[in-house]
Amino acid sequence: KAGVTQTPRYLIKTRGQQVTLSCSPISGHRSVSWYQQTPGQGLQFLFEYFSETQRNKGNFPGRFSGRQFSNSRSEMNVSTLELGDSALYLCASSLEQTDSPLHFGNGTRLTVT
Amino acid sequence: AQSVTQLDSQVPVFEEAPVELRCNYSSSVSVYLFWYVQYPNQGLQLLLKYLSGSTLVKGINGFEAEFNKSQTSFHLRKPSVHISDTAEYFCAVRDGFQKLVFGTGTRLLVSP
Repeated sequence: KAGVTQTPRYLIKTRGQQVTLSCSPISGHRSVSWYQQTPGQGLQFLFEYFSETQRNKGNFPGRFSGRQFSNSRSEMNVSTLELGDSALYLCASSLEQTDSPLHFGNGTRLTVT
Repeated sequence: AQSVTQLDSQVPVFEEAPVELRCNYSSSVSVYLFWYVQYPNQGLQLLLKYLSGSTLVKGINGFEAEFNKSQTSFHLRKPSVHISDTAEYFCAVRDGFQKLVFGTGTRLLVSP
């Protein structure tokens, strides 16, 4: 079974631009979560989607948004990029059950210059 | 609100020595606990999980962890480490449908 796939693997953007990251979950997984990982803040939860609905949301500004499609694939968008948005963005998928572990992709490394 | 504390940011150890990575959590309800490992330039890989039942949980690569409810701890152990175990290890807690909360990570450095 294929794992979680994130595209692109690397991105370089300029301040003020916007970016869209994509995530394809493991087949059969309907929950998709997004995390931001930086050396200073560690792993910070962005949001979780289940069956196209946002189920949980972290403490990030409105510039960070996401969505989930009917096939469970998910995208996250960051508008008006800031230097501090440079990070590894990780997507994870899981089954519906609360005790199901998250399975992570290899992430998208975003660099904002 | 749930939270996780990993007491050591870095743990150096010699190859074939035992290691323990410490994790304490706080939550007001029953929780599910996880340990993940991250190798450079990769995502997180699940090592093991505690859901219920036996407090000693065995995972991949020879790792195990013990759930201690009274001390709210979930320490990760390995009796003999290898160079290839060098990585960052994250403890995480989740209750119900709440988000999975991670600790700040412990960098395990194994030297020959």
